[in-house]
Amino acid sequence: AQSVTQLGSHVSVSEGALVLLRCNYSSSVPPYLFWYVQYPNQGLQLLLKYTTGATLVKGINGFEAEFKKSETSFHLTKPSAHMSDAAEYFCAVSDRMDSSYKLIFGSGTRLLVRP
Amino acid sequence: SQTIHQWPATLVQPVGSPLSLECTVEGTSNPNLYWYRQAAGRGLQLLFYSVGIGQISSEVPQNLSASRPQDRQFILSSKKLLLSDSGFYLCACITGEAFFGQGTRLTVV
Repeated sequence: AQSVTQLGSHVSVSEGALVLLRCNYSSSVPPYLFWYVQYPNQGLQLLLKYTTGATLVKGINGFEAEFKKSETSFHLTKPSAHMSDAAEYFCAVSDRMDSSYKLIFGSGTRLLVRP
Repeated sequence: SQTIHQWPATLVQPVGSPLSLECTVEGTSNPNLYWYRQAAGRGLQLLFYSVGIGQISSEVPQNLSASRPQDRQFILSSKKLLLSDSGFYLCACITGEAFFGQGTRLTVV
């Protein structure tokens, strides 16, 4: 069975500071990994995904994540936080990419950006 | 790309009343459809998924049910709501990546 652990339910940074949101996964097969962002009372929007190939993945809004198999991690980073980055972020894992796959989500990390 | 429509956006229902949340999909055919629930301060819990008309898989035992009467329509129902059914319900279509609706916030009072 697959699972995702997001360390820290809340992360607070100053505007302009580095953003680091942690995600560790468990999977018995090579995983497919995703980060989603959710703004209040809205659905989820895909930030980036790792399937195969390059382990450093760049996404929208300046975010990127690095797949580290040895550490079973897929941490999300952004060099400089903006106020508009304040939202909830979800890491997710799947074991397949064909038509019947399911996403397993972490419990989420709420990012607060201080002016 | 796909567009997921969910309604209503918010709903307040008394305990014991029925529930029907509807999700429709545009921009694809024969999609895999999913219902997730997000409780306050918690992550997303997969409730049901469907790979085709009339095909429903339940992930967790609960007070809810799902149906797929048409290819691009997915309905979440309950005959009698419980307080614990309160939460934010999200419909998703997964075809390579997940596309989500805007969600329905259900409050059972």
